[in-house]
Amino acid sequence: KNEVEQSPQNLTAQEGEFITINCSYSVGISALHWLQQHPGGGIVSLFMLSSGKKKHGRLIATINIQEKHSSLHITASHPRDSAVYICAVRSLGGGNQFYFGTGTSLTVIP
Amino acid sequence: EPEVTQTPSHQVTQMGQEVILRCVPISNHLYFYWYRQILGQKVEFLVSFYNNEISEKSEIFDDQFSVERPDGSNFTLKIRSTKLEDSAMYFCASSDRGSHGELFFGEGSRLTVL
Repeated sequence: KNEVEQSPQNLTAQEGEFITINCSYSVGISALHWLQQHPGGGIVSLFMLSSGKKKHGRLIATINIQEKHSSLHITASHPRDSAVYICAVRSLGGGNQFYFGTGTSLTVIP
Repeated sequence: EPEVTQTPSHQVTQMGQEVILRCVPISNHLYFYWYRQILGQKVEFLVSFYNNEISEKSEIFDDQFSVERPDGSNFTLKIRSTKLEDSAMYFCASSDRGSHGELFFGEGSRLTVL
């Protein structure tokens, strides 16, 4: 069973396009994380959300706790945004237990 | 900028051997985590550690695995007798707060079991 589902699995966009990646989860959570995994494998935390919306530069993350859904938006996409974007949730009941989505592989073409 | 460092970056070992993966978390962080990612698969949670004890572990983290903070700076993951299926990238992460703390990841240690 997958506690976290992401869509799409793969996404190709032209430079400059607006991109949305979706995440749905089935467990009660204390926080949701959006992570970026570079082609070399390293992972960087982009956002941690427990409600509402956050913005860093061209990246925007939103979460709807009632609907158990989060979205990651990239405005004015650039080839350097090409990476795997991972949604991860920290469950409420299990203390620090984490569940990860399978990731969305984004390729931005110049 | 403070960062989480992991060593080794890549280790090749024979099946049945013991392996220790090392992590140096960010110095003022109190919560530590190990995750693994088998090639081509999603990241999986292994264990969380706080106040010198395990606070949560997944089904993957069986008796072959152990964690330790031996000296106040290093945070280690030991695999007692490696199996082929332990081949994966292992990520360490740390946080300054529990449930609401941002995670800072190391670059990962790639383990190959032959």
